[in-house]
Amino acid sequence: GNSVTQMEGPVTLSEEAFLTINCTYTATGYPSLFWYVQYPGEGLQLLLKATKADDKGSNKGFEATYRKETTSFHLEKGSVQVSDSAVYFCALGRFGSSNTGKLIFGQGTTLQVKP
Amino acid sequence: DAGVIQSPRHEVTEMGQEVTLRCKPISGHDYLFWYRQTMMRGLELLIYFNNNVPIDDSGMPEDRFSAKMPNASFSTLKIQPSEPRDSAVYFCASSATLSDEQFFGPGTRLTVL
Repeated sequence: GNSVTQMEGPVTLSEEAFLTINCTYTATGYPSLFWYVQYPGEGLQLLLKATKADDKGSNKGFEATYRKETTSFHLEKGSVQVSDSAVYFCALGRFGSSNTGKLIFGQGTTLQVKP
Repeated sequence: DAGVIQSPRHEVTEMGQEVTLRCKPISGHDYLFWYRQTMMRGLELLIYFNNNVPIDDSGMPEDRFSAKMPNASFSTLKIQPSEPRDSAVYFCASSATLSDEQFFGPGTRLTVL
């Protein structure tokens, strides 16, 4: 079936370090891929998305490239800040030949950035 | 638009009491989702509606949980009777289509004593 797998957390980094959070997926058809972020005490909000293979989504210094050959959508940032501390969720949708299917979320990865 | 609105933000109740959580989706969105988030189980989809009609309630944990959407601008999630294991953060989200970006509310933190 359709699923998303994220690397387990927590991920603890020092400020200005490079960040990678791995996400791989299994899906039928050609899904769209999303990264959501949840800051403490808040709901999830969309960080970036990519709708087809080789697309790169980017926002707030974060990037992720849709890799169909490796079924991956890893999240990266060159220099993290303390304010990036949050839980990050990978998600997929629009899978299947009819482009339907509700979003499926990964289990979330907690990022802690220390000054 | 004010985004998805949820109330209350915090709810503390005693075991056995009825709890009602409320949600106002973004105007024009045809889909509404209820999620539950806990440390142990992560983010779980409980139920979703399309044009006010429940489509998939397979995530509702048991008969104590019920959800309604009487009109396009309002939905409720009710727990009766509540139990301590229902303690969690409950999120409402809405979207224009089933597979597009979902917009989440701030959540209701429920504590059942």
